[in-house]
Amino acid sequence: RKEVEQDPGPFNVPEGATVAFNCTYSNSASQSFFWYRQDCRKEPKLLMSVYSSGNEDGRFTAQLNRASQYISLLIRDSKLSDSATYLCVVRGGGADGLTFGKGTHLIIQP
Amino acid sequence: DAGVIQSPRHEVTEMGQEVTLRCKPISGHNSLFWYRQTMMRGLELLIYFNNNVPIDDSGMPEDRFSAKMPNASFSTLKIQPSEPRDSAVYFCASQRYTGELFFGEGSRLTVL
Repeated sequence: RKEVEQDPGPFNVPEGATVAFNCTYSNSASQSFFWYRQDCRKEPKLLMSVYSSGNEDGRFTAQLNRASQYISLLIRDSKLSDSATYLCVVRGGGADGLTFGKGTHLIIQP
Repeated sequence: DAGVIQSPRHEVTEMGQEVTLRCKPISGHNSLFWYRQTMMRGLELLIYFNNNVPIDDSGMPEDRFSAKMPNASFSTLKIQPSEPRDSAVYFCASQRYTGELFFGEGSRLTVL
């Protein structure tokens, strides 16, 4: 089983819609969780951290389910500029390095 | 403030040649990471340094790859000899303790 798994998509979503995707991780000792965003031919950038209690940042909501070992990202009122690849990132289990999922490709259509 | 600076941005070389990629982390950051990204494998951690000391190099593919961090402001990733399967985007990233990971713009390597 891969350490961090994501549905690669692409998710084609009309502008204004709500979209959600999940990510599963295999190491139950993982301690920190993040969503990074990567635009085409650019470097990844931190979108938001994921806290145990769930957290919201504007139109974005991230949640963590430790029992089932998955994290989720919800985007409300999607914008054309949200089109990107969203990378699920996990740290922990004895390693300081971050483990990245392969990413979910999101395309917002006008 | 300057971000993570990588060079070269693009490199095209022939199989068997030596490739050296360079990285200048953000000042004050104590951890530095080298990642490789391909369509097939996504982002893979190659090696990371903490306070200039290599902590985990288990992701380095083989002996052809080596990385150094002689001081807090400079790191290199060397591939010798290079092979076509090494073609990828190589990202350097730095971090202050366990804070946000900041990536450079990447070095796109093509080995013919």
